[in-house]
Amino acid sequence: DVKVTQSSRYLVKRTGEKVFLECVQDMDHENMFWYRQDPGLGLRLIYFSYDVKMKEKGDIPEGYSVSREKKERFSLILESASTNQTSMYLCASMDGWGNQPQHFGDGTRLSIL
Amino acid sequence: AQSVTQPDIHITVSEGASLELRCNYSYGATPYLFWYVQSPGQGLQLLLKYFSGDTLVQGIKGFEAEFKRSQSSFNLRKPSVHWSDAAEYFCAVGAGGTASKLTFGTGTRLQVTL
Repeated sequence: DVKVTQSSRYLVKRTGEKVFLECVQDMDHENMFWYRQDPGLGLRLIYFSYDVKMKEKGDIPEGYSVSREKKERFSLILESASTNQTSMYLCASMDGWGNQPQHFGDGTRLSIL
Repeated sequence: AQSVTQPDIHITVSEGASLELRCNYSYGATPYLFWYVQSPGQGLQLLLKYFSGDTLVQGIKGFEAEFKRSQSSFNLRKPSVHWSDAAEYFCAVGAGGTASKLTFGTGTRLQVTL
């Protein structure tokens, strides 16, 4: 089974802090994704990466950046955290490019105070 | 751009009753379609997927879904619900010949009464 591991289940940070969310997958998948999940809005794509050092903006990239230095690891960075970034963050990975499903981690619930 | 509508925010069914969760999508060509389930405090688990072929697809945990192109729908069904099925269910569509750009619906929360 695919294992997608997010480093923290719960995280509390302060406004203005630089925040790092880490995600690791163990199946050598090319593609990795970061979503945020908010009540009534479903999941919205922040960024995704289809290869090491490659990234593309999703639907809501503002206020976020990402890093993918190794194939198995995809980091989401909040450069200067704000209270409107309080949310559940989900990481996913996917094999290939086409008819494969995305596999999700358990999520990080981030609170910005 | 593709979109997904899950018209029911919250559904309550009795244990043992049948279930149908609705999903309507908007996309010009044949889409990739998915149903995911999310238990409280957990990530999303894939229930089933449709890419092509037979329009009735079977998934895990006794779920099935039917792709109806004429109605732009991909409704999820289960003949007999168990209390452990209480969760949030998300329909998603992938477009552009790839499953990598998924658009999710806003989810349907299922409550099961005993």
